[in-house]
Amino acid sequence: NAGVTQTPKFQVLKTGQSMTLQCAQDMNHNSMYWYRQDPGMGLRLIYYSASEGTTDKGEVPNGYNVSRLNKREFSLRLESAAPSQTSVYFCASSDTLNTEAFFGQGTRLTVV
Amino acid sequence: SQELEQSPQSLIVQEGKNLTINCTSSKTLYGLYWYKQKYGEGLIFLMMLQKGGEEKSHEKITAKLDEKKQQSSLHITASQPSHAGIYLCGADRTTSGTYKYIFGTGTRLKVLA
Repeated sequence: NAGVTQTPKFQVLKTGQSMTLQCAQDMNHNSMYWYRQDPGMGLRLIYYSASEGTTDKGEVPNGYNVSRLNKREFSLRLESAAPSQTSVYFCASSDTLNTEAFFGQGTRLTVV
Repeated sequence: SQELEQSPQSLIVQEGKNLTINCTSSKTLYGLYWYKQKYGEGLIFLMMLQKGGEEKSHEKITAKLDEKKQQSSLHITASQPSHAGIYLCGADRTTSGTYKYIFGTGTRLKVLA
C-alpha cells in the first residue's frame, strides 16, 4: 500500500552542492512528475515523464535534471544547488488522462 | 502568470461558516481536479470534474465546473477545523500527444474554532 515514495524527507545543502531526490511508485503508472511548491505559488511543474524512457520540461526546469530509470522510478537531480531552489518538492504519478495523480509526502529542501 | 489562478489566496473563517474557493483557467478545462493538502503533508485527491455544468459532492464539500469549462468553484458548507489546509485545483494539459498535470496557485484556509 506504499503508493508514491520519496526520499529523503528533509535535506539541507550548501550552495553549490549536488544531490538527487528519489521517487518510486508501485502502481504501474506510466506518467510521473516532479513539482516544487513555494508560498503563494502553488505547485509548479519542473519535469515530467509520460512513459519510461521519455522526459519533458515543465514550467520551471532550469537548474534541474531528471532520469526516468525505469517505469517505477523517477529521480530529480540538482547539480549545483542555489538558495532559490529552497522549496518543498513533490513527486507524483498518474495512470492515464482523466485520472487523478497520486502524490508522495514531499521533500523539504533548504539551500544555505 | 500561471494558467490556473485561484482566489482567494488565503481565507480565515469562523467554524460553521460557508466558504467558496474559485479556480479560473485561461484555457478550456477537460479535466479539473481538486486536492487538499494538510500543512506539511502531501496532497489528497478530493474530486474530479469533466463535463460542463458538472457538480460533485463529498461530505460537506461541493465542486462545480461551469458550462464554458473555464472556471470551477469549491464550496464548503458549515466549515470545521478539519477543513483547514491548502486547497489546490489541477488540470490536465495535452502537449504534443503527451499529457501532464498543472496546478493553481493554491488557497490557504484557516478555520477558527
